[in-house]
Amino acid sequence: DGGITQSPKYLFRKEGQNVTLSCEQNLNHDAMYWYRQDPGQGLRLIYYSQIVNDFQKGDIAEGYSVSREKKESFPLTVTSAQKNPTAFYLCASSGTGFYNEQFFGPGTRLTVL
Amino acid sequence: EDQVTQSPEALRLQEGESSSLNCSYTVSGLRGLFWYRQDPGKGPEFLFTLYSAGEEKEKERLKATLTKKESFLHITAPKPEDSATYLCAVQGRPGGGTSYGKLTFGQGTILTVHP
Repeated sequence: DGGITQSPKYLFRKEGQNVTLSCEQNLNHDAMYWYRQDPGQGLRLIYYSQIVNDFQKGDIAEGYSVSREKKESFPLTVTSAQKNPTAFYLCASSGTGFYNEQFFGPGTRLTVL
Repeated sequence: EDQVTQSPEALRLQEGESSSLNCSYTVSGLRGLFWYRQDPGKGPEFLFTLYSAGEEKEKERLKATLTKKESFLHITAPKPEDSATYLCAVQGRPGGGTSYGKLTFGQGTILTVHP
């Protein structure tokens, strides 16, 4: 089955810790994205990547970092510099042609203790 | 700046009671308008893409329509399993020398269908 997997489903972080969220896709998509979802707000773009070894900041990149070493993988690190990291994190992927619907993974819920 | 406003914020229906959800948007050069369904604690599930005014798409009890300023998601004879949050997003013209057209999401409409 083609799709996007995210792990872990739930993640707890202590103050001052860096944590890494995993995102893997087997849809053969070139582009991958990370969004943050908070209650009552729309999805906000953190980072995106259209090709391996290249990525761009989205609207709320401060306190986050990413890498794109493989086409299938786009991990997100939430650093200690992110002041309010508790949220639901969603990874998505798409093609890069004109018709490029984004397909989402199941999400990771991060809670700061 | 691209903007998306969804209304109502929440909608309660009785099973079989048809209704519509609204998505109003402003965007510089629409490439596509997307509808997603999201169940609690899960990722959004893709429903439809609409590309130009006048376009319509259907899937089971759902029908999406598009004008130059808004999109409607019509739900005909809904069932309790249609209860979810419905998200609307628009993709604008690429900028910054990339081919990426940013997706801007609305806050969603929470639909509850009672048996």
